[in-house]
Amino acid sequence: KAGVTQTPRYLIKTRGQQVTLSCSPISGHRSVSWYQQTPGQGLQFLFEYFSETQRNKGNFPGRFSGRQFSNSRSEMNVSTLELGDSALYLCASSLRGNYEQFFGPGTRLTVL
Amino acid sequence: AQRVTQPEKLLSVFKGAPVELKCNYSYSGSPELFWYVQYSRQRLQLLLRHISRESIKGFTADLNKGETSFHLKKPFAQEEDSAMYYCALANAGGTSYGKLTFGQGTILTVHP
Repeated sequence: KAGVTQTPRYLIKTRGQQVTLSCSPISGHRSVSWYQQTPGQGLQFLFEYFSETQRNKGNFPGRFSGRQFSNSRSEMNVSTLELGDSALYLCASSLRGNYEQFFGPGTRLTVL
Repeated sequence: AQRVTQPEKLLSVFKGAPVELKCNYSYSGSPELFWYVQYSRQRLQLLLRHISRESIKGFTADLNKGETSFHLKKPFAQEEDSAMYYCALANAGGTSYGKLTFGQGTILTVHP
């Protein structure tokens, strides 16, 4: 089975721009979660989607948004980028009712 | 609010020595606890979860609800155990299947 894939792997943006990150879950997985990883804050939950519906949201500003498509692929968007948004963004997928989350390699976002 | 604390950022042991990575949690509901591991240049992966009560790669972890702890132990550390270890918590009830709260992580180094 192919693992979770994330594109792009690296991004460089400037302040004020917006960015869209993509995540393809493992085939058959319907839940996709997003996390932000930084040296200072560690791994922080952003949001979770299941069957195209946002089921949980972390404590992030409204500039962070996401969506899930009917094929379970998910995208997250960050608008009006700030320097502090520089981070590794991880996506994880899981089966419904199964807490084991399978992580992707991440997208490294650098905001200049 | 749920919280996971890993008091040690760094832990160094010699090969063959016992190792214990500490994890304490704060959660008012019924928790589901996990240990995730990230080896060098690899993606984050599940090591073990408390409900499975398995021993993976010689590691075990017991959930102590009285002390709200979920420490990870291995009697004889190996060099290949060197990695970053994260303790994580999920809500065992409700719909928060895809929301993991992570500790800050512990870097384990096993010296030859």
